[in-house]
Amino acid sequence: GEDVEQSLFLSVREGDSSVINCTYTDSSSTYLYWYKQEPGAGLQLLTYIFSNMDMKQDQRLTVLLNKKDKHLSLRIADTQTGDSAIYFCAEKDGSSNTGKLIFGQGTTLQVKP
Amino acid sequence: GAGVSQTPSNKVTEKGKYVELRCDPISGHTALYWYRQSLGQGPEFLIYFQGTGAADDSGLPNDRFFAVRPEGSVSTLKIQRTERGDSAVYLCASSLTGSIQSPLHFGNGTRLTVT
Repeated sequence: GEDVEQSLFLSVREGDSSVINCTYTDSSSTYLYWYKQEPGAGLQLLTYIFSNMDMKQDQRLTVLLNKKDKHLSLRIADTQTGDSAIYFCAEKDGSSNTGKLIFGQGTTLQVKP
Repeated sequence: GAGVSQTPSNKVTEKGKYVELRCDPISGHTALYWYRQSLGQGPEFLIYFQGTGAADDSGLPNDRFFAVRPEGSVSTLKIQRTERGDSAVYLCASSLTGSIQSPLHFGNGTRLTVT
């Protein structure tokens, strides 16, 4: 079945760039997403990319997609302490034509002042 | 505008009891999803509604879990004979159409603790 894998933890200094990586298995995935979860809160949609794109930029966020290697990354430029959170990569369930998502375990981003 | 609203935000119940968790989606969103998030894990799909009907309930773990959406708006997730393993955050999400192009918007979740 489909699977999404992420590294569990990343620590950076304030002002540095953060790169969070994700791999997925479903080659029929059409949309891939990045969500942010702060403590005690729900998931906030950050950005998403369609599978016919290889890059998408949105202010400090850059998403890179390598469809051949099934690898997705999220780069956060000029990381701030407010960016500390858990980041989830998610893919659309390729066996469904609905919006059902399959999530990774999440990457905890720690930003040190 | 208002986002997805879930109530209660926290629920503590005893093993064996019945609980109901409520989700109020974004107005006009036809699709509604329930997910469950255990500690340290990503959300796992439970059930998807398109309008009033459950279009995909393949993620419900067993027959103690049931969900309804009688008028195509508010949804209730019902858990009978709760077990300690049901303790998790239950997340609700809605999307405008439910199609593959329509992104999901999540509520803050209900943290369920079964003692």
